[in-house]
Parts: sequence; C-alpha cells; structure tokens
Amino acid sequence: KQEVTQIPAALSVPEGENLVLNCSFTDSAIYNLQWFRQDPGKGLTSLLLIQSSQREQTSGRLNASLDKSSGRSTLYIAASQPGDSATYLCAVRRVGSNYKLTFGKGTLLTVNP
Amino acid sequence: DGGITQSPKYLFRKEGQNVTLSCEQNLNHDAMYWYRQDPGQGLRLIYYSQIVNDFQKGDIAEGYSVSREKKESFPLTVTSAQKNPTAFYLCASSMGTGHSGELFFGEGSRLTVL
Repeated sequence: KQEVTQIPAALSVPEGENLVLNCSFTDSAIYNLQWFRQDPGKGLTSLLLIQSSQREQTSGRLNASLDKSSGRSTLYIAASQPGDSATYLCAVRRVGSNYKLTFGKGTLLTVNP
Repeated sequence: DGGITQSPKYLFRKEGQNVTLSCEQNLNHDAMYWYRQDPGQGLRLIYYSQIVNDFQKGDIAEGYSVSREKKESFPLTVTSAQKNPTAFYLCASSMGTGHSGELFFGEGSRLTVL
C-alpha cells in the first residue's frame, strides 16, 4: 500500500524567503508525482507534474524534484510572496494502481508580509 | 475557457435524502474522478471512470453512486445509505487512458447534512 507523507504540516515564513516543501512516499514504483495548490474552500490547482523518468520540473518560481529511489520529492518556491499562502499537496500514481492517486495531507504555507 | 464545472457549490441535505452533485468538463478528457476531502485527512477516491458507460469503485464507494452517459458529465449521487456525508466533494479529470495524465480539479461542492 502506498503512503504519502508531507512534512511539516504547517510552515510560516517571511516574504521573500526561499523555501522547500517535502513529500515522501513508501513505494518507489510510481508512474508520476503531481504537486497541487489549494486555497481555502477551493478546488486543487495543478502546479507541476513529474513523470517517473524525470528528475525535475520548473514553472516560474516553482521547481519540483523527484528522487524515486529514496521515495522523495521537494517543491522549491523562490522569493515567496503573500499570494503563495495556501495548502500544498503532493500525489503519486503507483504502478499497478490503475488510475488511483494517493494524496498526502498537505503542508499549510503562510507567507507573512 | 476550458475547465471543470461543479454545481452546486453549497448543498444542504436532510437526513434520509439523496442528493446529486453535478460535474461537467469541456477539456475533452476521457477519465473522470470523484474525491472526498475531510479536515485532517487526505483526499479519498470515491469513484472513477475511464470511458463512457464504464466506472469503477474507489476506496470509499459505499453509499455513493455515479453514472457516465456522456464523456463530458460524471454526476455523483450521495444516497441516504452514506452514514457521514458531510464533506467537501471534488471532481477531477485527466486526458487519455494512460498513466501519465495530469489531473485537473473543479472548484468543489460542499455538502452539509442537517
């Protein structure tokens, strides 16, 4: 059974700081890993999708890395802004799980002005 | 604009009533999903559908039913058999039938049982 853990559960940083969010998974046999952002009371917005053959993906100030062998992914946010405040979730699609994604519980990020 | 539309955004239900949540997508995606989100828990899969007229149970299908009569639509019915239906429900879709598809979500529907 795949388990996905995100640590820390909450993080508060001052504006302008670079930060890293962590995601770990127990079964390294995955098709891909996806990072999402969720604002309060809203749906999930896809940020980055990393296929199992890739090591990293970048979009603007966001960079996600994937190390399958160690079962880890990181989401790096550069020059954080108050608008980055949200819950960040990662999800993995395990080999043999058909279409199921396993989600972590998320990291609540607060960027203070 | 392409996207996934869920309605209603808020829904109140009396005990013993069935309710149906709507999910429509214009992304031309083959696969559609329903997730449930509760405070302090990760998203849990209720049902998913890879093609029209076909769907499979997820991890918590008891008390729910779905249909997939059109590619664009995947409604979820929360039946009176669902013992704890108060939750935030999220519909999602992905392109194609392979395993590499990126998942996109709607804005969610919040169901409250009175």
